[in-house]
Amino acid sequence: QVQLQQWGAGLLKPSETLSLTCAVYGGSFSNYFWSWIRQPPGKGLEWIGEINHSGSTNYNPSFKSRITISLDASKNQFSLKLSSVTAADTAVYYCTGGLPNMTMVRGVINYYYYMDVWGKGTTVTVSS
Amino acid sequence: DIQMTQSPSSLSASVGVRVTITCRASQAISNYLAWYQQKPGKVPKLLIYAASTLQSGVPSRFSGSGSGTDFTLTISSLQPEDVATYYCQKYNSAPRTFGQGTKVEIK
Repeated sequence: QVQLQQWGAGLLKPSETLSLTCAVYGGSFSNYFWSWIRQPPGKGLEWIGEINHSGSTNYNPSFKSRITISLDASKNQFSLKLSSVTAADTAVYYCTGGLPNMTMVRGVINYYYYMDVWGKGTTVTVSS
Repeated sequence: DIQMTQSPSSLSASVGVRVTITCRASQAISNYLAWYQQKPGKVPKLLIYAASTLQSGVPSRFSGSGSGTDFTLTISSLQPEDVATYYCQKYNSAPRTFGQGTKVEIK
């Protein structure tokens, strides 16, 4: 069964870049879609973005140009970078994944998946 | 983008009572709706996908229904271990938005 192990810096100063990595064990890395989700203290879950096995990404528009999700298939790892962090980026960050299914409507392929694999979360605090 | 709205934001009910949480999508999403349970201090856990399919290992007192824009999560007989926050999520396309969550407590 697939397991995720994540790591990264837990304390950042404003304007620095958040960098997290998630390693995938026990499953087929290339079959999954991989996402990052965050949860500010006392608040709900926020979907940040995703990447598939071919490196195609989708991002939450709320993060505009600050976000980069990438993968290293040779290491079965995927990563999140969020630049120019502020206190509002203080949160627990989770890496997650799911096996996609596909639909095609009017020649457009759409992938859908629910998140049944989760990392344990990394607490990131942004403070001067 | 499609917005997901849950109600209520919190509820308190007695053990053994039937509990219902509602999730509404701002546009139709067919049945591409998942429910997650997050117990205090823990990682979220998938409960239900495809609006009504129970994830393996989830107790049968949990059920889901709905299609299109309106969905419900029902706990048929609330147990102390069900104290948690429950989130719906649309997963048909990006952005894969969550509802704001419903906190369930025991009265």
